[in-house]
Amino acid sequence: EDQVTQSPEALRLQEGESSSLNCSYTVSGLRGLFWYRQDPGKGPEFLFTLYSAGEEKEKERLKATLTKKESFLHITAPKPEDSATYLCAVQATGATNKLIFGTGTLLAVQP
Amino acid sequence: GAVVSQHPSRVICKSGTSVKIECRSLDFQATTMFWYRQFPKKSLMLMATSNEGSKATYEQGVEKDKFLINHASLTLSTLTVTSAHPEDSSFYICSASTGLRAWETQYFGPGTRLLVL
Repeated sequence: EDQVTQSPEALRLQEGESSSLNCSYTVSGLRGLFWYRQDPGKGPEFLFTLYSAGEEKEKERLKATLTKKESFLHITAPKPEDSATYLCAVQATGATNKLIFGTGTLLAVQP
Repeated sequence: GAVVSQHPSRVICKSGTSVKIECRSLDFQATTMFWYRQFPKKSLMLMATSNEGSKATYEQGVEKDKFLINHASLTLSTLTVTSAHPEDSSFYICSASTGLRAWETQYFGPGTRLLVL
């Protein structure tokens, strides 16, 4: 069964304290891995798509990497405005276009 | 670009009534739109996939007669919750795919909070 697990469930950082969020996945074949940011009461905001192991993408203080079993979202020198829930989702090869989401990591960055 | 809107953002209704939620892609044509449901502190669960001009494909366990989906144009999909009950209270989010291939990046709307009394 295709599955996505994110860790930690929650993370509290001081402003400027870099860290990484983990997304482990089990799929029959990976078509794409997606990272989204979700603020309370809002829909997910697209951050990155990764397609193959070894691929990396960056946007401001965020960098996403991908291996054959997991993806990391690295946050460098975070600011309070980076506080949000970060969601990871995978799309498996096959007949469907379904996104399978993890339960997310709730990030709180304190000033 | 790739902006998706939803209306209403919040709705309160009485048990037994029907509620319609609209999802629009504002700056692109969406061949495929998706409807998700999210419970507090839980992840998004796909309810159905909607293709313009054809019947929606529902996920296992989702009642198609209760959650009616219409995708009448390339920029509009609607979800109607029929005979709503308190257990239908949730956060409903739509997404749309920008490309011809539905497995490309999905862009999400801001969500609709439904409360059934």
